[in-house]
Amino acid sequence: AAGVIQSPRHLIKEKRETATLKCYPIPRHDTVYWYQQGPGQDPQFLISFYEKMQSDKGSIPDRFSAQQFSDYHSELNMSSLELGDSALYFCASSPGTSGRNEQFFGPGTRLTVL
Amino acid sequence: AQTVTQSQPEMSVQEAETVTLSCTYDTSESDYYLFWYKQPPSRQMILVIRQEAYKQQNATENRFSVNFQKAAKSFSLKISDSQLGDAAMYFCAYRSVNAGNNRKLIWGLGTSLAVNP
Repeated sequence: AAGVIQSPRHLIKEKRETATLKCYPIPRHDTVYWYQQGPGQDPQFLISFYEKMQSDKGSIPDRFSAQQFSDYHSELNMSSLELGDSALYFCASSPGTSGRNEQFFGPGTRLTVL
Repeated sequence: AQTVTQSQPEMSVQEAETVTLSCTYDTSESDYYLFWYKQPPSRQMILVIRQEAYKQQNATENRFSVNFQKAAKSFSLKISDSQLGDAAMYFCAYRSVNAGNNRKLIWGLGTSLAVNP
């Protein structure tokens, strides 16, 4: 069965650079969630989209922005990168926003900021 | 706001034995979902088991079962016949089902489980 795809899997950037993370949800899933997991920490919710509209916003810095496109894939844009942005970034997708729908996680993008 | 607490940062179990991981949560909602996720060294987030709050019967998935105590707001995970591949970080998570509420997952800090041969 198709799973959530994230690219790239690994990314190394310098401070103050920009990064773009991509998430391709499972086919027919219209809802995407982004989470950030720092080293040794629990995941923190960043932002979510439903039908190409932002549906919820968590602890996402102003330096970050995200959107969902017409094919339902989503991109997380990160600017002015800081050392503290080094983390594993998960994308999850679900069919609709109902809390009864399971969120399926991608393998994550490991971002390292030097 | 909802919170999830895992009071055991680390646990260990002998292979083939049983271990129970604890999770408590706080919410004023009556309908919600609870989850246990496993994160092995690969850091892939894998759903282990989920429980619907309105269901009194405890969920079971093969060697994994939960003890859901709604009144006590407790949701523990029991792993039977532990295997080396069970070694991982385990996260307890909460999700609201109410319309208009956030549907993001709210996570505990995790319990690192070691399985000793």
